[in-house]
Amino acid sequence: GAVVSQHPSRVICKSGTSVKIECRSLDFQATTMFWYRQFPKQSLMLMATSNEGSKATYEQGVEKDKFLINHASLTLSTLTVTSAHPEDSSFYICSARTSGGAPYNEQFFGPGTRLTVL
Amino acid sequence: AQRVTQPEKLLSVFKGAPVELKCNYSYSGSPELFWYVQYSRQRLQLLLRHISRESIKGFTADLNKGETSFHLKKPFAQEEDSAMYYCALRGIQAGTALIFGKGTTLSVSS
Repeated sequence: GAVVSQHPSRVICKSGTSVKIECRSLDFQATTMFWYRQFPKQSLMLMATSNEGSKATYEQGVEKDKFLINHASLTLSTLTVTSAHPEDSSFYICSARTSGGAPYNEQFFGPGTRLTVL
Repeated sequence: AQRVTQPEKLLSVFKGAPVELKCNYSYSGSPELFWYVQYSRQRLQLLLRHISRESIKGFTADLNKGETSFHLKKPFAQEEDSAMYYCALRGIQAGTALIFGKGTTLSVSS
């Protein structure tokens, strides 16, 4: 089946620094990728939709200047948390959507990245 | 507004008992409905989608447009079914994202 990887799986950083999280579709091309945020024992909240070669679409309430998303290729999207603060500590999950071949139009999820800002 | 509601945070049953995880949705139009499962320390994975009308691991879900519900059912729960279950919807337009409910933790004990 289709596999989505994320790197790093866990990161600890100091307040004020920036952190980049990579999301890769390993065996399929994904024109669309999504970034979610999950708080402990809560649901996944959609942050943004990322389309290859164009600007990301952010959900209401998500600061686009704080959460920079780049989707430069059909297999890679990155999320950069700029000037991170403790309230940004969370579990970030990416998802990639298949666009051609089987299974068609299915979203596959990465394992997530645990960000802790000290 | 689009919304997915899972009223139960936790559902505890004994092995062999029937299970029903409730999901109601709000959406202007005809969305696609899904159930995702997250086992302990594993990533989110698709369990089933309404358009497939299939049974996966003994689970079924029927879309009731009149009640705007997509409840997940299994006649006989197994201990390995213990996990977090998320109901999700998606618009039919290309490129739209899955919107998730808050999830229900299913705990099956012997």
